[in-house]
Amino acid sequence: NAGVTQTPKFRVLKTGQSMTLLCAQDMNHEYMYWYRQDPGMGLRLIHYSVGEGTTAKGEVPDGYNVSRLKKQNFLLGLESAAPSQTSVYFCASGAGENTEAFFGQGTRLTVV
Amino acid sequence: GEDVEQSLFLSVREGDSSVINCTYTDSSSTYLYWYKQEPGAGLQLLTYIFSNMDMKQDQRLTVLLNKKDKHLSLRIADTQTGDSAIYFCAESIGSSNTGKLIFGQGTTLQVKP
Repeated sequence: NAGVTQTPKFRVLKTGQSMTLLCAQDMNHEYMYWYRQDPGMGLRLIHYSVGEGTTAKGEVPDGYNVSRLKKQNFLLGLESAAPSQTSVYFCASGAGENTEAFFGQGTRLTVV
Repeated sequence: GEDVEQSLFLSVREGDSSVINCTYTDSSSTYLYWYKQEPGAGLQLLTYIFSNMDMKQDQRLTVLLNKKDKHLSLRIADTQTGDSAIYFCAESIGSSNTGKLIFGQGTTLQVKP
């Protein structure tokens, strides 16, 4: 089983460029999340979705947009990348409230 | 808002016990979790405890919950070099029905042979 798959695994962007990170899960989970991980700050929630067609803001949503057109996919977009968005991005999915969250392997993004 | 705090670093010798501590603020959290992150990998759920429990044991892992003080700890018995990783404490956001978790900063556990 693939579980939660993130693409790409690594990316370098120039300031002002745009890109989309893809998260795919094959566990039929309703809930999906995008986090960023920065040294000494743990994981911070960017956006999340509680079902197909729904999205909501997390703790640090500015500069990002998301879409959940299909239940199995959750896309994270950066419209105009900034160096402050250099981070490791993790996608996670879960079956519902108070259930285990399954994480992808992460995407290391560098904005120069 | 909700907050989860952890110490950043712990170093132990192989065979010793490790105790990683965590404090949280959301008193309505129903579940508290411990995740492990190995270098270059995502997070993997180690164990969790329901808020009406004081203790949970799972092989070498013991979770203690003091709900009055909002303090959670993870004890790893007979710590091995393979236990070296970053350990994250996380709490579920009480009544939001969104499955959202708030994570601590992570504690880096270094196990010396």
